[in-house]
Parts: sequence; structure tokens; C-alpha cells
Amino acid sequence: DQQVKQNSPSLSVQEGRISILNCDYTNSMFDYFLWYKKYPAEGPTFLISISSIKDKNEDGRFTVFLNKSAKHLSLHIVPSQPGDSAVYFCAATPPVISGSARQLTFGSGTQLTVLP
Amino acid sequence: NAGVTQTPKFQVLKTGQSMTLQCAQDMNHNSMYWYRQDPGMGLRLIYYSASEGTTDKGEVPNGYNVSRLNKREFSLRLESAAPSQTSVYFCASRVLAGATSGANVLTFGAGSRLTVL
Repeated sequence: DQQVKQNSPSLSVQEGRISILNCDYTNSMFDYFLWYKKYPAEGPTFLISISSIKDKNEDGRFTVFLNKSAKHLSLHIVPSQPGDSAVYFCAATPPVISGSARQLTFGSGTQLTVLP
Repeated sequence: NAGVTQTPKFQVLKTGQSMTLQCAQDMNHNSMYWYRQDPGMGLRLIYYSASEGTTDKGEVPNGYNVSRLNKREFSLRLESAAPSQTSVYFCASRVLAGATSGANVLTFGAGSRLTVL
């Protein structure tokens, strides 16, 4: 049972346009969400995050939106650039339980291709 | 500024062989993790070490063992490799296992691609 789902395995967007990557989750205990980007033959790198007390977080061209009632988050990239072509993973984590670690649950990833 | 270093980058094994994937971080992080990435499955946690001296099972621990050798190093061992363990393995670390937002950010190594024939 996947608690974090990315239902679109791939997305193609023209350079300069908006890219919207979506992620759904089922565990209502999740309270912190992250997006990672992964290039071929490299490890994932952290991109942007959002706490459940917010509904939006911006960092330059990247904005993450959180809709807690729908258990849905999205990553917007504006404008999209060819260098943004990568696999994007969303991840979620619940509050820490005393003495335990705060684990990340990852989605299956979306391959974004930005066409020049 | 190495970050997280994994060795080897590539390995081919025959069914039943054993091997150890090595991971070292130079960021003085307390927590270390082993993930595997499979098509359509995303990243799944195999084992983690919240702090030096502790290890715990993740989502998919069967067929694996780990050793937290010291604060820097965390190894993953396959005692008797199976074709189902063909995957890309990622080691990761972060400052703390706990609650603060910044400590949630994992730093990943470049990955180790393992093929079991």
C-alpha cells in the first residue's frame, strides 16, 4: 500500500512554460513534505519542502502547494528550463515519536522532460 | 567536499554470492540510511541507523544486514544475493533523525547499481 503516490510517471513541457508535478498521500499523520530531484547516475538532491502548517512555499522558480483536505501536494516550476529535466520524487514524513527516527516515505517519481 | 560516498558504483553478482556495499559521509551527520530504487517503486528504506551504535529495519529489510561501523560509515551486506535484489542502492545521511525541519533533509550518495544474475 503506497502511502505516497505520484500517478504520472512522465511529463513533457515546453521550455518557458509551467511544469506542474503532482503527489497524493493517504497517511493523515504526515506533517512535512519534501521534493527531491534526481539526474541520471546521481543521487537525489533536496529541492524544496513544506510544513503542514503552511499551504505554499516558494523558492525562486519552484513553488510547492499543499492541500491538506485533499491530501495533495504539487510542485510548480515556472519558467521551466531544459536543465530541469530530471526525475522528481515527493516524500512525506510524520511527526517524530519519542526515541524513534522521523522516516521519509517516497513516491515513485515523475520524469520531467523540458523541451527546448 | 565529498558528502556521501558509496562504493562500488557497479557490481554484478551471481545468485548466492555475498557482497558488502560501503558508505561513508564526511558531514558529521548522526543518522544514516540505505534505500533501494526500483522502477515504479520509488525509494524504499532498507535499514537505517538513527545514531552511532543503533540500527533499525526499514520497509524492505529481508535479505540484508547492516553495520554502523562508526559515525562516518554504514555498510549494507547481502549474505546470499537473489535476482530480486537487482536494484540501485542509495546511501543517505542527515544531521538528526528527529523533528526539526532542516534535519529532515537527506543527503544522498551517487548510488550503487547491483545486478544479480
